[in-house]
Amino acid sequence: AQRVTQPEKLLSVFKGAPVELKCNYSYSGSPELFWYVQYSRQRLQLLLRHISRESIKGFTADLNKGETSFHLKKPFAQEEDSAMYYCALHWPNFGNEKLTFGTGTRLTIIP
Amino acid sequence: EADIYQTPRYLVIGTGKKITLECSQTMGHDKMYWYQQDPGMELHLIHYSYGVNSTEKGDLSSESTVSRIRTEHFPLTLESARPSHTSQYLCASSTLWQLGQETQYFGPGTRLLVL
Repeated sequence: AQRVTQPEKLLSVFKGAPVELKCNYSYSGSPELFWYVQYSRQRLQLLLRHISRESIKGFTADLNKGETSFHLKKPFAQEEDSAMYYCALHWPNFGNEKLTFGTGTRLTIIP
Repeated sequence: EADIYQTPRYLVIGTGKKITLECSQTMGHDKMYWYQQDPGMELHLIHYSYGVNSTEKGDLSSESTVSRIRTEHFPLTLESARPSHTSQYLCASSTLWQLGQETQYFGPGTRLLVL
């Protein structure tokens, strides 16, 4: 079965320090992975998708098929990065396409 | 403005009452979803729809039901609310899937408290 694991429920990092939010997945096919973010009092929204190989707000995430990981990284944390982050897996099962979310990691940036 | 709306935002209701949580989107999306999320916990998909007259149960068993009579409208109904239904309910929508482009847009959520 498809599964997404975020081992850290809480993560605190000092401002200016590097950030890494871990995400591991289990899926037998070709995964499509995403990071969603929810800032305080805002809606859940897409941060980035692996297929775009993009950097959003300084965050990047590389898909490592060997380690079945999709960790989210940022070299220098900013206070506005404090939020709840969810890793999500989409599997293109025709007629049954949907996202599976991890349990989320609450990131707190310490000033 | 294209958006996804949920009403009510907060609802406190007694056990046994029938409730309907509304979700509407003006984004022209075909796919819509309902998630249930307890505070600090993961999102669980409870219902989804690929279009009008299409509804499917999600990964988490739920006593709620949904309907999709119009593309833009995807209401969720609980016939008899119980305290175990206390949770946050998130509605989302997306376009038909294209490789790697699946983006779900979320509503603001409805926080339900059943006494």
